[in-house]
Amino acid sequence: SQKIEQNSEALNIQEGKTATLTCNYTNYSPAYLQWYRQDPGRGPVFLLLISENEKEKRKERLKVTFDTTLKQSLFHITASQPADSATYLCVPTSGGYNKLIFGAGTRLAVHP
Amino acid sequence: DAGITQSPRYKITETGRQVTLMCHQTWSHSYMFWYRQDLGHGLRLIYYSAAADITDKGEVPDGYVVSRSKTENFPLTLESATRSQTSVYFCASMVGAGQPQHFGDGTRLSIL
Repeated sequence: SQKIEQNSEALNIQEGKTATLTCNYTNYSPAYLQWYRQDPGRGPVFLLLISENEKEKRKERLKVTFDTTLKQSLFHITASQPADSATYLCVPTSGGYNKLIFGAGTRLAVHP
Repeated sequence: DAGITQSPRYKITETGRQVTLMCHQTWSHSYMFWYRQDLGHGLRLIYYSAAADITDKGEVPDGYVVSRSKTENFPLTLESATRSQTSVYFCASMVGAGQPQHFGDGTRLSIL
């Protein structure tokens, strides 16, 4: 069955450093991959989408890579801030497939 | 304001009772989804709808019923609530296949 693995333990980093979150998936070949942010008591919020034809995508301080050979995506936040503290969800998606499968997420804590 | 709203935000009920969770979106998005989120699990899809009067089962549909008579509304009903259905429920909408999903802020449901 399709499986998504994200760091189950929280990632603690110091303010100003780069946070790197990992997402590995097995048993399917997504055409693209989405990253969402979820704050406590709130619904997920879409951040970035990268397609299988793109190796890397950037948006402000965010950078996502997508390696279809390794079946892995890396999500980077540069110059991290305490406001970046949240849970980040990885969502590999097959082309035309409407039913998203969410990873359990990695909790990021950025300390001043 | 445009967006997706869920009601109620919090609900406590007893086993065996019928409960309906409401979801309303103002974008006229074709797709709507219901998820549940439990500790240690990612979001799990309960039901989804590709358009008014078109619904389909997701990963965990047992014990739930949905309807979609209007594009903007997608209520979820627990016909006879069980303790295992205690969870946080999220509704989402999506303009089209392969696009990001937009989530409500969830309903926290406790079944005693």
